[in-house]
Amino acid sequence: DIQMTQSPSSLSASVGDRVTITCRASQSISSYLNWYQQKPGKAPKLLIYAASSLQSGVPSRFSGSGSGTDFTLTINSLQPEDFATYYCQQSYIYPRTFGQGTKLEIK
Amino acid sequence: EVQLVQSGAEVKKPGESLKISCKGSGYTFTKNWIGWVRQMPGKGLEWMGIIYPGDSDTRYSPSFQGQVTFSADKSISTAYLQWSSLKASDTAMYYCARHWDASNAFDIWGQGTMVAVSS
Repeated sequence: DIQMTQSPSSLSASVGDRVTITCRASQSISSYLNWYQQKPGKAPKLLIYAASSLQSGVPSRFSGSGSGTDFTLTINSLQPEDFATYYCQQSYIYPRTFGQGTKLEIK
Repeated sequence: EVQLVQSGAEVKKPGESLKISCKGSGYTFTKNWIGWVRQMPGKGLEWMGIIYPGDSDTRYSPSFQGQVTFSADKSISTAYLQWSSLKASDTAMYYCARHWDASNAFDIWGQGTMVAVSS
């Protein structure tokens, strides 16, 4: 299986901040990388697919980049509703593994 | 509206069997894979596998192969996840999600089904 490792596991930030979350794959996955947001008690929501494509309806303050093994999710100008847990997922080969998650908390 | 609606929460005893469901609407159910994702209490997301309702082709994660069974009834646009003998360690929230080929990602998620297994 491909291992997906996110860093940090948690971080604190303030409204208006810019934050970056990193995801590293244990082998090259080209650009087959997705990002999801999950709020407490809710199902995950797709934010970014194919490493950098914004899912329809997702605010433009979210962006993704990277290819190969290293990827980033950036959130510009954090809003109160952005405080949640974020997961990366590789869609290169089966099983389509997720990272362990990054919890974004309010400072 | 495209949506997946899952069956309600379950409380079962170890050794019992269980089948939970995921009903799709608002799109052609047979044209997209449906995935299953486990989330144990306080933990992250785990990819269990996927099923193609059009022909019931399946892909299981090695971690779940032999532990669960996926099935689908395309006549009623419903996918299923079942266990033949539950364990306490199966206690978790289970999500179904539509795999959208254009994005190669899970773009629509069910609301989740909580399964609690306790003696």
